[in-house]
Amino acid sequence: SQTIHQWPATLVQPVGSPLSLECTVEGTSNPNLYWYRQAAGRGLQLLFYSVGIGQISSEVPQNLSASRPQDRQFILSSKKLLLSDSGFYLCAWSARANTEAFFGQGTRLTVV
Amino acid sequence: SQQGEEDPQALSIQEGENATMNCSYKTSINNLQWYRQNSGRGLVHLILIRSNEREKHSGRLRVTLDTSKKSSSLLITASRAADTASYFCATDARNKLVFGAGTILRVKS
Repeated sequence: SQTIHQWPATLVQPVGSPLSLECTVEGTSNPNLYWYRQAAGRGLQLLFYSVGIGQISSEVPQNLSASRPQDRQFILSSKKLLLSDSGFYLCAWSARANTEAFFGQGTRLTVV
Repeated sequence: SQQGEEDPQALSIQEGENATMNCSYKTSINNLQWYRQNSGRGLVHLILIRSNEREKHSGRLRVTLDTSKKSSSLLITASRAADTASYFCATDARNKLVFGAGTILRVKS
């Protein structure tokens, strides 16, 4: 069966520090991968999505970047965190377009 | 901007009552999906309705889709305290799964 792993679950980072959040999927190949951010009590904002290795589409210009070095690995990065980067980050995958998505348990990032 | 927008933003009902949440979207879609999120957790897929379907059922869930009005509704019948969660609609356009702002449902026992 397919599983998605996202870590860490919580993270407290100082302003200006780098960020690396990792997401891996098991049990499937060539998934669509997504990074979302959710502010407290709000909806999900699509940050990046990828339909294949090295193929990244950015939805919102910001100081975050994403990479997909392997088929089932999706990484969210920042060189210098801002206070406004605080939030709940969710990784998800789907088998292809127009199918259900499966979410990781999320990373709560607090930038101090 | 969000593709889907839910209303109401928050809903509080008594256990046993029905809960109805609505979603409106802006562009043409292939399907519309509903998800549930317990506080501080990832989202869980509930149901997918295709653009050529008008109604779909899954257990206590009933989803309708009106493509002419670009709207969908999620009905939870005979609600339980365990249904307390946030509910989101999502639309899929060109590999992008875009979510609305969600409805926070509280079921009081």
